[in-house]
Amino acid sequence: EDQVTQSPEALRLQEGESSSLNCSYTVSGLRGLFWYRQDPGKGPEFLFTLYSAGEEKEKERLKATLTKKESFLHITAPKPEDSATYLCAVRIKSGAGSYQLTFGKGTKLSVIP
Amino acid sequence: ETGVTQSPTHLIKTRGQQVTLRCSSQSGHNTVSWYQQALGQGPQFIFQYYREEENGRGNFPPRFSGLQFPNYSSELNVNALELDDSALYLCASSLLRERGETQYFGPGTRLLVL
Repeated sequence: EDQVTQSPEALRLQEGESSSLNCSYTVSGLRGLFWYRQDPGKGPEFLFTLYSAGEEKEKERLKATLTKKESFLHITAPKPEDSATYLCAVRIKSGAGSYQLTFGKGTKLSVIP
Repeated sequence: ETGVTQSPTHLIKTRGQQVTLRCSSQSGHNTVSWYQQALGQGPQFIFQYYREEENGRGNFPPRFSGLQFPNYSSELNVNALELDDSALYLCASSLLRERGETQYFGPGTRLLVL
């Protein structure tokens, strides 16, 4: 069964304190790994797509990396506005010609001023 | 370029009733997917529509059904509502390709079943 596990469930950081979020997956036929940010009561906001082991993407204070079994979202010198739930999803085939995203439960990040 | 929109934002129904949720996809996208997100959980895939046909479905019963229209809009219908159907319902639109599809989500509809 395809699985996506995110850790930790929750993370509290002081402003400026860098850290990493983990997403481990066991899927067959990975067609991409996605990171989304979700604010309370809102829809997920797209951050990154990674397709191949060794690939890295950066955006402001965020950097996503991918290996064959897991992905990391590194947050450098976070600010309070980075507080949100970060969701990891893998894109897998769900039928002939169709794909679905399978999500982890997310990591709730709180950045304290 | 307008983003994905959903209506209504909030909805309260009673057990056994039927509900229709609406989504307007991003212009140029040919695919819409629907997800259910319970509190504290990640979104769960319900189904996907491509060019007005259902072409993928998650582990949801047949009382969850949908439509996609030529003007990029879509509907999610849920019959015989149960208490466990209370959740945030998200639609996401994308341009389906073998590689490079990115799903862009709407703000969601919060459904409460009493």
